[in-house]
Amino acid sequence: GAGVSQTPSNKVTEKGKYVELRCDPISGHTALYWYRQSLGQGPEFLIYFQGTGAADDSGLPNDRFFAVRPEGSVSTLKIQRTERGDSAVYLCASSTPGGEQFFGPGTRLTVL
Amino acid sequence: AQSVTQLGSHVSVSEGALVLLRCNYSSSVPPYLFWYVQYPNQGLQLLLKYTSAATLVKGINGFEAEFKKSETSFHLTKPSAHMSDAAEYFCAVSVFGSARQLTFGSGTQLTVLP
Repeated sequence: GAGVSQTPSNKVTEKGKYVELRCDPISGHTALYWYRQSLGQGPEFLIYFQGTGAADDSGLPNDRFFAVRPEGSVSTLKIQRTERGDSAVYLCASSTPGGEQFFGPGTRLTVL
Repeated sequence: AQSVTQLGSHVSVSEGALVLLRCNYSSSVPPYLFWYVQYPNQGLQLLLKYTSAATLVKGINGFEAEFKKSETSFHLTKPSAHMSDAAEYFCAVSVFGSARQLTFGSGTQLTVLP
């Protein structure tokens, strides 16, 4: 079946702009995760959804970052007033409760 | 809080040689431990996981890892490297089980020499 998909695959924006990154999880997966992977580093946890609600958003770096999952499926990560330090690959993963996390290919965000 | 340290950001081995990638963890409670592989422009793929059952865990593609509580280690091994094993490998820990957030190490880039 289809895996986790993320769009766009690449996003280039200017400092100060607003961006949205989309994640389509595997059908039937109720848990969804966002991670950020900076160059030369491992992924860092941002936020975890169980269904429509954010069960743990402790990894969001500041209030410029926000994520939603209004219908318990697709999720959007929103970044306001982007900064150069936001440049990274943003990874999405989904799972069944207690199950293995399946990762998407990521969105590479570049802030100029 | 939990953390993971991967010793060696780059490891090179000859084709057919033993692969050993090191991972040490820190956790205040019994951990769940994972190894993921990342090929260029692809998502992370789970190689194997330790969830408090057998301490020697076998995964895909001939990889295995041994949980050693006394050493707080979870090193990844493969007896004979293939060219196709060249990729980046990440060790990760979770204290809630795989349904919660993973804390990753910084990764080890494996190069396989012909």
